Amino acid sequence: QGQLVESGGGVVQPGGSLRLSCEASGFSFSNYAMHWVRQAPGKGLEWVAVTTYDGGKKYVDSVKGRFTISRDNFVNTVFLQMNSLRDEDTAMYYCARAPGETAEDLWGKGTLVTVSA
Amino acid sequence: DIQLTQSPSFLSASLGDRVTITCRANQGINNYLAWFQQKPGQAPKLLIYFASTLQSGVPSRFSGSGSGTEFTLTIGSLQPEDFATYFCQQVDSYPRTFGQGTKVEAK
Repeated sequence: QGQLVESGGGVVQPGGSLRLSCEASGFSFSNYAMHWVRQAPGKGLEWVAVTTYDGGKKYVDSVKGRFTISRDNFVNTVFLQMNSLRDEDTAMYYCARAPGETAEDLWGKGTLVTVSA
Repeated sequence: DIQLTQSPSFLSASLGDRVTITCRANQGINNYLAWFQQKPGQAPKLLIYFASTLQSGVPSRFSGSGSGTEFTLTIGSLQPEDFATYFCQQVDSYPRTFGQGTKVEAK
């Protein structure tokens, strides 16, 4: 069925950087789009970015120019490089897979990012 | 960006109740709508995709309907494990967007 495990979260000062990783197992990683979705404490879900199976990338406007999504199909891992972090980037970050353009059907447990001085 | 509005935001219900949650889009999204369930401290779980297709392993008391701009998630007979927050999501275009959520609580 598959598993996703995120890592790389932590506490960072405003303006700092973090690199999140999400390691996949149990399914054919290269055949899936991989997404990052975040959830600020006590708030709803916000879609952040996607890397498609063929390497296409899209972002929500609030992170364009600051975040970069990438994938390495050899090690079954998707990354989210986050630069110029802001207080409002504080959230639990989930990675999720999606079969093509459909909804995300497998989610990791998330990694917490806290941006604070 | 496509905006999704869920109603109600909070819902109090009893075991065995039939529960209906609505999700409205500010423009047509065909049937490219999904429903997720999220419990505290857990990741979201996909319940329904393409507006009405039940995800594998999801109990049949969950159903989805609608197309265009108005969609509904129905829980046929509320069970103890169904107390949670439910989110709709459009996958018609990027950026993908979610509704604000509906929290289903025990009456």
